[in-house]
Amino acid sequence: DTGVSQDPRHKITKRGQNVTFRCDPISEHNRLYWYRQTLGQGPEFLTYFQNEAQLEKSRLLSDRFSAERPKGSFSTLEIQRTEQGDSAMYLCASTGQNTGELFFGEGSRLTVL
Amino acid sequence: GEDVEQSLFLSVREGDSSVINCTYTDSSSTYLYWYKQEPGAGLQLLTYIFSNMDMKQDQRLTVLLNKKDKHLSLRIADTQTGDSAIYFCAVTPGNDYKLSFGAGTTVTVRA
Repeated sequence: DTGVSQDPRHKITKRGQNVTFRCDPISEHNRLYWYRQTLGQGPEFLTYFQNEAQLEKSRLLSDRFSAERPKGSFSTLEIQRTEQGDSAMYLCASTGQNTGELFFGEGSRLTVL
Repeated sequence: GEDVEQSLFLSVREGDSSVINCTYTDSSSTYLYWYKQEPGAGLQLLTYIFSNMDMKQDQRLTVLLNKKDKHLSLRIADTQTGDSAIYFCAVTPGNDYKLSFGAGTTVTVRA
């Protein structure tokens, strides 16, 4: 395992459809984060997990967004009834306990038509 | 979240040093990071510094932290064409690693 992996890398969908992204963190990293990055901006925090517990959700995460990490390993981010404003890069990151190093994946780019 | 400000663009000649600056508002920031992003890619962690440090050097990279002025800088020595990318400054107030990012500085290296 060489890094954080995300799938799919690109997703094009029609408005109103549901999409799901998957993130596999670095092995044994207990913390996992989701960020959203729009064009020309820095990433914005969405939510994070410690093991399987979702510890915090940003106000950016509307009711249409849900994230899970059922076994404390991989995580999924689902967006229901997608809107054009959801078009962005969704980034996943992970870190171990108290290391100070937060590693990001390559991201999943969502385009909502 | 807190505000993190960066200049948007920097153009530098190949072989020269690049200096990218960042200011932040939260004085309780404990971890401060620099990430690199190439087109269409994710974020690559370049280096980070703890708030109890003033400087950190790692090969061609030097990070300087001025806590009084809440100013962070990244110096890249002997800048190469492969250094052309967007550089993000990010800070976090504690060990939850919930980072607040700047908008990024686009560095262009010209021959």
